[in-house]
Amino acid sequence: GENVEQHPSTLSVQEGDSAVIKCTYSDSASNYFPWYKQELGKGPQLIIDIRSNVGEKKDQRIAVTLNKTAKHFSLHITETQPEDSAVYFCAATVNTNAGKSTFGDGTTLTVKP
Amino acid sequence: SQTIHQWPATLVQPVGSPLSLECTVEGTSNPNLYWYRQAAGRGLQLLFYSVGIGQISSEVPQNLSASRPQDRQFILSSKKLLLSDSGFYLCAWNYQQNTEAFFGQGTRLTVV
Repeated sequence: GENVEQHPSTLSVQEGDSAVIKCTYSDSASNYFPWYKQELGKGPQLIIDIRSNVGEKKDQRIAVTLNKTAKHFSLHITETQPEDSAVYFCAATVNTNAGKSTFGDGTTLTVKP
Repeated sequence: SQTIHQWPATLVQPVGSPLSLECTVEGTSNPNLYWYRQAAGRGLQLLFYSVGIGQISSEVPQNLSASRPQDRQFILSSKKLLLSDSGFYLCAWNYQQNTEAFFGQGTRLTVV
């Protein structure tokens, strides 16, 4: 089955700096890669996603890149703000598996003011 | 618009007691439904998923079971809770195709 590894497990940055979180996956049939943000005591929420026919996608301060050959994808947050502090999860999805995703173990991002 | 409801938000249960967590989705039909468990500081472990009424797939062997009695209702159950069942349980749904998952607010279960 699919295996997703996520690094780092914790990340601390100064407000205004950039943050990068990286994930690798094992199943070359994966074709949908969402990123979720989870605030304390709440369920995860999608912040950005990318499909396998695209190499990069950007939404304001957030961008995701995908390298299908190397089977890795990354989340980039620029100009970080304290409210970006949360746990971030990457996921990989194979379309044939009823749309279910395999999640990484999460990255706890702390943005220091 | 679509919404997902999950309750209760917190639950403290003694070892050996039964469990029933309920999740309902509004505003959509025939969704995929999921139950995840999240241990403290860890990622999301998929427990069960369902592509239709009465269709349940289990991802990991465990002390829990799931049922889908109606199209938009997903129930997580146990006959006898173990200490190791403690955790944060999340219900989620998505469309049949390859799309984002929408999560409920979660249930914090503590087995004492």
